[in-house]
Amino acid sequence: DQQVKQNSPSLSVQEGRISILNCDYTNSMFDYFLWYKKYPAEGPTFLISISSIKDKNEDGRFTVFLNKSAKHLSLHIVPSQPGDSAVYFCAASDLTGGGNKLTFGTGTQLKVEL
Amino acid sequence: DAGITQSPRHKVTETGTPVTLRCHQTENHRYMYWYRQDPGHGLRLIHYSYGVKDTDKGEVSDGYSVSRSKTEDFLLTLESATSSQTSVYFCAISEPGLGEQFFGPGTRLTVL
Repeated sequence: DQQVKQNSPSLSVQEGRISILNCDYTNSMFDYFLWYKKYPAEGPTFLISISSIKDKNEDGRFTVFLNKSAKHLSLHIVPSQPGDSAVYFCAASDLTGGGNKLTFGTGTQLKVEL
Repeated sequence: DAGITQSPRHKVTETGTPVTLRCHQTENHRYMYWYRQDPGHGLRLIHYSYGVKDTDKGEVSDGYSVSRSKTEDFLLTLESATSSQTSVYFCAISEPGLGEQFFGPGTRLTVL
């Protein structure tokens, strides 16, 4: 049973426009959410995170929004750049419960076109 | 970048042979993890460790064992490799109470 879902396997965006990647979760115990970026033949790289006590976290061009009632989070990248082309994984954990384990979504391949 | 190395980076082996993958960290992080990445599945947790000689099973632990005799090393062993264990394996580290995990470069394992 997939507790973290990324329903869009791929997304194509033009350079300079906004990229919006979506993620849904089912486990109400999750209280910490993360986004990772992965290039081919490399390990995932931490991008940005958000605690369940917040609804928005911003870091430069990257903003994560959390809607707890809908169990939905999204990553906004603006403006999108060709170097943003990668696979993006959403992940969640029950941090307050004492667990550092992450549950990952299946990933979304973002392609930023010139 | 976190100081995490994995060895080997690539390995091809035959069904039924034992295989050990090594993860080494220089960050002195207490927690370590092994994941596998497969198309359509994202990253799935195999085993994890919350300290030396303190390990536990993850979501997909069948056919795998781990050992952690030192803080810096976490070994993943496939006792008898099967073709279904062909995958890319990632090691990760973290600290207690911090949600972020930091990943190594991965090991691509092919079981023929």
